[in-house]
Amino acid sequence: AQSVTQLDSHVSVSEGTPVLLRCNYSSSYSPSLFWYVQHPNKGLQLLLKYTSAATLVKGINGFEAEFKKSETSFHLTKPSAHRRDAAEYFCVVSVKERTGGGNKLTFGTGTQLKVEL
Amino acid sequence: DSGVTQTPKHLITATGQRVTLRCSPRSGDLSVYWYQQSLDQGLQFLIQYYNGEERAKGNILERFSAQQFPDLHSELNLSSLELGDSALYFCASSVGVDSSYNEQFFGPGTRLTVL
Repeated sequence: AQSVTQLDSHVSVSEGTPVLLRCNYSSSYSPSLFWYVQHPNKGLQLLLKYTSAATLVKGINGFEAEFKKSETSFHLTKPSAHRRDAAEYFCVVSVKERTGGGNKLTFGTGTQLKVEL
Repeated sequence: DSGVTQTPKHLITATGQRVTLRCSPRSGDLSVYWYQQSLDQGLQFLIQYYNGEERAKGNILERFSAQQFPDLHSELNLSSLELGDSALYFCASSVGVDSSYNEQFFGPGTRLTVL
């Protein structure tokens, strides 16, 4: 079975400083990994995804994540935080079903990012 | 705007009742997914349909059922509602059946309150 652990439920940074949101995963198969962002009262939006190509993945809004198999990690980073980055971030693992061809997405518990002026 | 629409936005009902949530996927998307987001359980995958057929199942209760119609819209039926079913229900859609490669686009959600 697959799972993800987001190590911090809340992260607070100052505007203009780096962001690090940590995620560790567990999967019996080769996983696909995603980061989604959810702004207040909005649906989820895909930031970036890893699907066994390049281990350093660049996403939207300046975010990137590095897949490290040896550490089973997929941490999300951004060099300089902006006020609009304040939101909840979810690390997600996807494993293809053996039958049916569909996928199960397993979400982490989320990290609330606060950006202070 | 993701292109995925969900109705209604809000729903308030009583325990024991039955409700239907509706989702229209993005134009051209064949897969529809349902998720439940609650404070105590977080975001959980419920079920996936692809072109009218069930393709993946998550933590969906037996009191809940879903279907995808020939026009590709989907409905999630929740019956014998309990207080604990109060949550935000999201629908998402993607082009293909394999969401490892096909991005899922999420709707704005339906907030269900069971009193």
